Amino acid sequence: RKEVEQDPGPFNVPEGATVAFNCTYSNSASQSFFWYRQDCRKEPKLLMSVYSSGNEDGRFTAQLNRASQYISLLIRDSKLSDSATYLCVVNRAGGGNKLTFGTGTQLKVEL
Amino acid sequence: DAGVTQSPTHLIKTRGQQVTLRCSPKSGHDTVSWYQQALGQGPQFIFQYYEEEERQRGNFPDRFSGHQFPNYSSELNVNALLLGDSALYLCASSLEVINAEAFFGQGTRLTVV
Repeated sequence: RKEVEQDPGPFNVPEGATVAFNCTYSNSASQSFFWYRQDCRKEPKLLMSVYSSGNEDGRFTAQLNRASQYISLLIRDSKLSDSATYLCVVNRAGGGNKLTFGTGTQLKVEL
Repeated sequence: DAGVTQSPTHLIKTRGQQVTLRCSPKSGHDTVSWYQQALGQGPQFIFQYYEEEERQRGNFPDRFSGHQFPNYSSELNVNALLLGDSALYLCASSLEVINAEAFFGQGTRLTVV
């Protein structure tokens, strides 16, 4: 079983739609959680950190459920520019910032 | 402020050859990690360097080795290249602080033929 699992998609949605991505992680010692965005043939870039209390950044909302070992990302009012691959990432306690990535979920926002 | 820079951006090598990839961390960062990203997959952790020492290592064979220099820049070396080593190799730098944000370079795309 992979340490971080995501639905690879692709998710094809119309502009303005709300889309949700889910991710599960297997290592209960995981300490910190992130969503990264990766554009085609580019490097991953941090989108947002994920906290148990949930956090929001504009149209993006991330949630963490430690009991279920589940992470989510919600994108509201999708824009064409949101088209990318979204990577779920965990960092184990004492992991020295060694990041474990999911395979990524591809999002395509269409007119 | 220059971010993380990697060289070369693209490389084609033949099976059995050796390759060296280079990374300069973001200014002020002292920790460098290397990742391998195969097509359609997420990045996989290779190893991490701090204070010129390999501090952590992922599940990669000894053919993968590295080095960190006093100026914090780093090299990734791969010996006896296999076709399966074809991938995007990403370097990430961060501060030596728990949960510090990792900044990635644009990567080196290695093709082994």
